[in-house]
Amino acid sequence: ILNVEQSPQSLHVQEGDSTNFTCSFPSSNFYALHWYRWETAKSPEALFVMTLNGDEKKKGRISATLNTKEGYSYLYIKGSQPEDSATYLCAFNGGGGTSYGKLTFGQGTILTVHP
Amino acid sequence: DAGITQSPRHKVTETGTPVTLRCHQTENHRYMYWYRQDPGHGLRLIHYSYGVKDTDKGEVSDGYSVSRSKTEDFLLTLESATSSQTSVYFCALRAREGMNTEAFFGQGTRLTVV
Repeated sequence: ILNVEQSPQSLHVQEGDSTNFTCSFPSSNFYALHWYRWETAKSPEALFVMTLNGDEKKKGRISATLNTKEGYSYLYIKGSQPEDSATYLCAFNGGGGTSYGKLTFGQGTILTVHP
Repeated sequence: DAGITQSPRHKVTETGTPVTLRCHQTENHRYMYWYRQDPGHGLRLIHYSYGVKDTDKGEVSDGYSVSRSKTEDFLLTLESATSSQTSVYFCALRAREGMNTEAFFGQGTRLTVV
């Protein structure tokens, strides 16, 4: 069983705060690391897919970094807004052979942004 | 939208009965997945498919089987439903080949086993 861990499990911040969370994953047999945003009563939607060590991705106020050698990724949200409230999931794509397409999710970080 | 639909959207069934959930795609995408969502666990992989008749187990495959006899349909069967299988089930697919492809999710199926 692949170990994909996210921390913290939940986070409460005030509007305007910047915040970040962590995803740790196996450092061997790495293909890609995904980040998804999941709003209540909706389906998860992709934010980023990162494949290279040192990768940095940015979409508006949200950015992510990747360290494949040590097996972690950070997601940053700058100037949080109430509409950023959601569960943020990371997913590890790794393994060899027929596991090439396997996508294993962490348990998620629940972010609540208070006005 | 990658043309992915799940059916049924809601189902209540009795313990011990078989149940089949369907995931249908309108494109010719290779990778399809079944996940279950439970509080505190995020999304846990049940089974996935990397082609017609090519499937592999995920981390919580016990009590579930899958079939993919054609590209567009990926079926999840609960062989004998138990209350622990009450959950929301999500189907997903990878819309493009390659390592840098994101997953797209269906709307989810809420299954209650009584």
